[in-house]
Amino acid sequence: NAGVIQTPRHKVTGKGQEATLWCEPISGHSAVFWYRQTIVQGLEFLTYFRNQAPIDDSGMPKERFSAQMPNQSHSTLKIQSTQPQDSAVYLCASSSGAGAEQFFGPGTRLTVL
Amino acid sequence: AQSVTQPDARVTVSEGASLQLRCKYSYSGTPYLFWYVQYQRQGLQLLLKYYSGDPVVQGVNGFEAEFSKSDSSFHLRKASVHWSDSAVYFCAASRTGGYKVVFGSGTRLLVSP
Repeated sequence: NAGVIQTPRHKVTGKGQEATLWCEPISGHSAVFWYRQTIVQGLEFLTYFRNQAPIDDSGMPKERFSAQMPNQSHSTLKIQSTQPQDSAVYLCASSSGAGAEQFFGPGTRLTVL
Repeated sequence: AQSVTQPDARVTVSEGASLQLRCKYSYSGTPYLFWYVQYQRQGLQLLLKYYSGDPVVQGVNGFEAEFSKSDSSFHLRKASVHWSDSAVYFCAASRTGGYKVVFGSGTRLLVSP
C-alpha cells in the first residue's frame, strides 16, 4: 500500500497560467478530500468526493478552482489563471468510510510567480 | 457551528519534560475526535482517535489523549517528549458517522534540548 499519492510534489507556474494537481487515493477508499495549507490561513477544507460524486465544495473559491474525480483511482484539482495568492501546499486525503480517519498525501507545493 | 479550537499556536518544552496540547470542540452530541501530527514538509499523520468508551485513548509514540464531555475537550498528552516530537499537531473532529472532518488551527511544538 503506497498511501495517498500526489503529483507533482512541486509546481511553479507563472501568473495567469493553469495548474492541475493530481491525487491517487488509497485503493478501496470511498472518500477523497482536498485541503489548502498556508502559513497565514492554516489548513483550509476545499472539497470532497464520496464514491466519485462531489458532496461538499463549500471551501472552494468560486472562481478559477475546480475539482473532479473521473474514476475511483484519481482526483484532480485545477486552478485556472493562477494568482500569487494561490501559492500554498495542496493536500489530498482519502478515507475508507464514515467516521474513519483520513490518510493524507505528502502534498503539492504550488508556487505562483 | 461545528468548530475545533486549539488555543496555543506555539508550545515550547524541554526534552524529557511532559507535554499537554489543548483542544476544545464545539459540536452537538459527541463527535469523533482525532489528533494528527505534521512533520516538516510532510502530510498529516494520525496519532490517535476517539470514537466512544474509555475516555483515555492511547496513540503512537507514547501519546495519549483524554476526552471530556463536560469540558468539551480532547487534550493530548505525553509523559516525556523527545526532540523528534517537534512538529505541528492538529486536533480534529467529525460528527458521528460523518465524512467531513473539521480541523483546528494547529499547535507548533518545539522541543528544546
